[in-house]
Amino acid sequence: EAQVTQNPRYLITVTGKKLTVTCSQNMNHEYMSWYRQDPGLGLRQIYYSMNVEVTDKGDVPEGYKVSRKEKRNFPLILESPSPNQTSLYFCASSLPTGAGELFFGEGSRLTVL
Amino acid sequence: AQKVTQAQTEISVVEKEDVTLDCVYETRDTTYYLFWYKQPPSGELVFLIRRNSFDEQNEISGRYSWNFQKSTSSFNFTITASQVVDSAVYFCALNIYNFNKFYFGSGTKLNVKP
Repeated sequence: EAQVTQNPRYLITVTGKKLTVTCSQNMNHEYMSWYRQDPGLGLRQIYYSMNVEVTDKGDVPEGYKVSRKEKRNFPLILESPSPNQTSLYFCASSLPTGAGELFFGEGSRLTVL
Repeated sequence: AQKVTQAQTEISVVEKEDVTLDCVYETRDTTYYLFWYKQPPSGELVFLIRRNSFDEQNEISGRYSWNFQKSTSSFNFTITASQVVDSAVYFCALNIYNFNKFYFGSGTKLNVKP
C-alpha cells in the first residue's frame, strides 16, 4: 500500500529538549516536504527536498532542520523546541513538482510545554 | 509573491443544499497548478483535484465540480446535494511550475447538518 508514515503521531515535550519527527514514504517519490498546520493559517511549508541531499527552506523554516540522506526518509528535527512550535505537522511526498499531487502522512501533533 | 485566499472561514448548510467554496489565488507566473484537499474530522489530508494553468475546462466528479477562471484568478469548488460526510475543512493550494513551494489557503470549514 502506498503511504507516507510519520512518527510519533502525538508528542508532548518540554522547551529545549531536542526531538525528531520521522517521515518515510514507499512510493519512490523524489519530492518530500514538511508543513505545519495552525488554526486560521492553513498549512505552511517548513522545508522541502527535491531529492537526496537536496533540501531548501519553505516559508517558515526558523527553528527546524531537515536532512535527506535516503530517498525514502525525510526527518524533521527540532533542535531546541519552543512553545510556538506547538502545532500539527504533516509530511508529504510527490512526483517532481507539478507532476502529481502531494501524498500526506497522517500528521504528528506536537505540544511543547 | 504567491498567495491563496479562502475568504470563507466557515460555512454551514443543511443536507442536500448545494454549496460553493471560494478560492482566489495570486501569482505572476504563467505555469502553475491548483489543488483542492479535504481534511475530514479524522485529520488526514485527502487529495481531490489538480488543475494546471493551461486547462480551464471545468471538471465534474460525481457531486463535486470545479470552476477554474484565470480571468478572475479563481478556482472554486461546488458540492451539489451536500451530505453529512462532506463535513470537513477544505484547502485550496497553489504550486508554481519549476518552483518547489506549495502555497495553501487558510481553509474553509464546511458543516453539513442533517
